[in-house]
Amino acid sequence: GAGVSQSPRYKVAKRGQDVALRCDPISGHVSLFWYQQALGQGPEFLTYFQNEAQLDKSGLPSDRFFAERPEGSVSTLKIQRTQQEDSAVYLCASSLGQGAGQPQHFGDGTRLSIL
Amino acid sequence: QKEVEQNSGPLSVPEGAIASLNCTYSDRGSQSFFWYRQYSGKSPELIMSIYSNGDKEDGRFTAQLNKASQYVSLLIRDSQPSDSATYLCAVNGLSYQKVTFGTGTKLQVIP
Repeated sequence: GAGVSQSPRYKVAKRGQDVALRCDPISGHVSLFWYQQALGQGPEFLTYFQNEAQLDKSGLPSDRFFAERPEGSVSTLKIQRTQQEDSAVYLCASSLGQGAGQPQHFGDGTRLSIL
Repeated sequence: QKEVEQNSGPLSVPEGAIASLNCTYSDRGSQSFFWYRQYSGKSPELIMSIYSNGDKEDGRFTAQLNKASQYVSLLIRDSQPSDSATYLCAVNGLSYQKVTFGTGTKLQVIP
């Protein structure tokens, strides 16, 4: 079966533009996570969805970041008015059950570069 | 104090040796612990998960958990050059809804 799919793989945007990053989790996976990974660092938690409900968005850096998962499957992470500090790899992960107490399956990530 | 701490390395070991990777965590109520491997430019992939004190073995990999001392380790036996990667420790603490990752330890296996 297919793993977690993210698109685009690479995104270059000018400062101030809006971007949208897509995540297609493994079919049937209840939990979906977004992470931001800077070079040389571990993934930093952004937000968590259980089905369509966004139960934790404590990691979103600012109100320019917005995530949704309207039908409990595909998720989109949107960044408005991008800044250079938003440049990073954005990882999506999914897991079968509820919560974060079980292994997560990661997508290949979207490498975002803000010029 | 960081929630999850790892030595960033690099940790260099000769081929065939045992590599020992360590991780400490601050949340005493943590329940689930994971080791992920991340090759350069790739996404993390799960190596081991461990939930109770003691050792858990899977092939050349052994995870060790000591909740009283708040550390978790990963041993890689018969290290191969293909094991060269960054190893990330991840801990699910009191927050039901997220794991916290360490910064990772870079392992270099020298042929």
